[in-house]
Amino acid sequence: QVQLVQSGSELKKPGASVKVSCKASGYTFTSYAMNWVRQAPGQGLEWMGWINTNTGNPTYAQGFTGRFVFSLDTSVSTAYLQISSLKAEDTAVYYCARLAADWGQGTLVTVSS
Amino acid sequence: SYELTQPPSVSVSPGQTARITCSGDALPKKYPYWYQQKSGQAPVLVIYEDSKRPSGIPERFSGSSSGTMATLTISGAQVEDEADYYCYSTDSSGNHVVFGGGTKLTVL
Repeated sequence: QVQLVQSGSELKKPGASVKVSCKASGYTFTSYAMNWVRQAPGQGLEWMGWINTNTGNPTYAQGFTGRFVFSLDTSVSTAYLQISSLKAEDTAVYYCARLAADWGQGTLVTVSS
Repeated sequence: SYELTQPPSVSVSPGQTARITCSGDALPKKYPYWYQQKSGQAPVLVIYEDSKRPSGIPERFSGSSSGTMATLTISGAQVEDEADYYCYSTDSSGNHVVFGGGTKLTVL
């Protein structure tokens, strides 16, 4: 069965960087795009963008350009989300998702001094 | 930018029918999808491509669309259906995904 397993929770200081991983199994990784979704505490789902797992070409949603980078390592069927220059407002659960049906378990990133 | 609009909350008594709406200009051309999210859990797909139900989702969940509005209907809502529900679709180009703001369903 399809599984998306994400890396564990992270606690970072403002200004630091974080890299979240999403390891896929149960399907051909390069056949489906990988999406990233953010959910701030008590807030709704916010689509961050997607990466073409065949070409590596990313598409970023409005508001997620500059500090956010999607990348891949197709040799290990893993997608990555890197966020640089972290701010307190980046505190959220970050999900990878093979829309529509398959989601990772979420990774909580907490940014606090 | 494109938006999908949902009511913030819907409340029903157990056994009643709950209807959650989602409006968006591109919905006549782009399929809506619906997720259920319970506290502390990842979203679960309950309806895809407007009205199809994934395996394992109870028959009381159904979806429909008319024009720019999609509706998730829970017929005979149960206490365990209490959750946040999100619609999602794409903009007219198909390149950008949009989530509705979410609807908190209370069943009591």
